[in-house]
Amino acid sequence: AQSVTQLDSQVPVFEEAPVELRCNYSSSVSVYLFWYVQYPNQGLQLLLKYLSGSTLVKGINGFEAEFNKSQTSFHLRKPSVHISDTAEYFCAVSDPNDYKLSFGAGTTVTVRA
Amino acid sequence: NAGVTQTPKFQVLKTGQSMTLQCAQDMNHEYMSWYRQDPGMGLRLIHYSVGAGITDQGEVPNGYNVSRSTTEDFPLRLLSAAPSQTSVYFCASSSEGDTTGGQRQETQYFGPGTRLLVL
Repeated sequence: AQSVTQLDSQVPVFEEAPVELRCNYSSSVSVYLFWYVQYPNQGLQLLLKYLSGSTLVKGINGFEAEFNKSQTSFHLRKPSVHISDTAEYFCAVSDPNDYKLSFGAGTTVTVRA
Repeated sequence: NAGVTQTPKFQVLKTGQSMTLQCAQDMNHEYMSWYRQDPGMGLRLIHYSVGAGITDQGEVPNGYNVSRSTTEDFPLRLLSAAPSQTSVYFCASSSEGDTTGGQRQETQYFGPGTRLLVL
């Protein structure tokens, strides 16, 4: 079974500063990778996904992530955050032949003015 | 489209009581799943279904039953609730999507969640 490690449980950041959320996964074979965001008291919303092709993936709200197969990583970045980016962020992985998602424990991003 | 809907939004149960968490989607998606979210543990898969009449266990199935009689609905049943089942439950659905190049392009859509407290 796939496993996902999100290296930071809490990330405080000032408004307009850059942020990077780190994600590593266990599998050495082909995988699909996802980042989801959960705003307070809401469900999960897809930010971006990597299925194949270019290793730099652009998502919604100015987020992007880079797939690094040799390091089995899929780190999420945003060059300038807003207060509205305060949320919990989840990295997830799935086998291309399977619908099931394995999630990391989540990273809480708190953006301060 | 309403997307993925879940009812109730919040429920309090006593230990040993039973209940059903409802999940419905109007996107004609084949795949539906139930996750539970606990602090510091992310989301863990309880049960999933790849189509009407087909269900299977996920990572944490004990204490939960599911059925899939229609494409639209995927209820989750707790037969005898325990305090360890206090959690937030999310239902999700996805389609096989665009199979361009032989690769599935599906996105899983999540419902708003049901917050369950078992006393």
